[in-house]
Amino acid sequence: AQTVTQSQPEMSVQEAETVTLSCTYDTSESDYYLFWYKQPPSRQMILVIRQEAYKQQNATENRFSVNFQKAAKSFSLKISDSQLGDAAMYFCAYYGTASKLTFGTGTRLQVTL
Amino acid sequence: NAGVTQTPKFQVLKTGQSMTLQCAQDMNHEYMSWYRQDPGMGLRLIHYSVGAGITDQGEVPNGYNVSRSTTEDFPLRLLSAAPSQTSVYFCASSYSRVTRAEAFFGQGTRLTVV
Repeated sequence: AQTVTQSQPEMSVQEAETVTLSCTYDTSESDYYLFWYKQPPSRQMILVIRQEAYKQQNATENRFSVNFQKAAKSFSLKISDSQLGDAAMYFCAYYGTASKLTFGTGTRLQVTL
Repeated sequence: NAGVTQTPKFQVLKTGQSMTLQCAQDMNHEYMSWYRQDPGMGLRLIHYSVGAGITDQGEVPNGYNVSRSTTEDFPLRLLSAAPSQTSVYFCASSYSRVTRAEAFFGQGTRLTVV
């Protein structure tokens, strides 16, 4: 079974600074997707960014980018120019051939002035 | 386009009571699933469905029942509520993974069992 590990329960970043959230996963599959979801206090799950395993190029979405290291099974999220609205829980998720999402335990990001 | 509609948003049950959490999607997604979210544990899969008439168990299925009679609806039934089922529940849907694997989530149900 696949596992997803987020080793940072909480992180803090100053407004306008850059922060990186870590995620590692364990799988024997070669074809899969990886996601970062954001969960603000409203509880809504919001897709931040996705990465297809077959793509070598790291995905980017505006201020959000990933560092995908397939051999190391690492998938970190970098948030640039952090904003107060980025404060939330962030979940890393794996989606493989079983068509099920497996989530990490989440990282709570605080953004300070 | 409503996306994934999940009801109710809040519910308080007494131990032993039964109830159904409703989930409906209007995007013609094949895949639907139910998760529970507990502090420090992320989201854990309860049951999922890859199409109408097909369901399967996830990581934590005990005490829950599902059915998928239509593509649009995927209700989750609590057969006899227990305090251990106090949690936030999310329904999600997605296309098949050969097209687009992104999951869309409902707004969640906060369930308290007393």
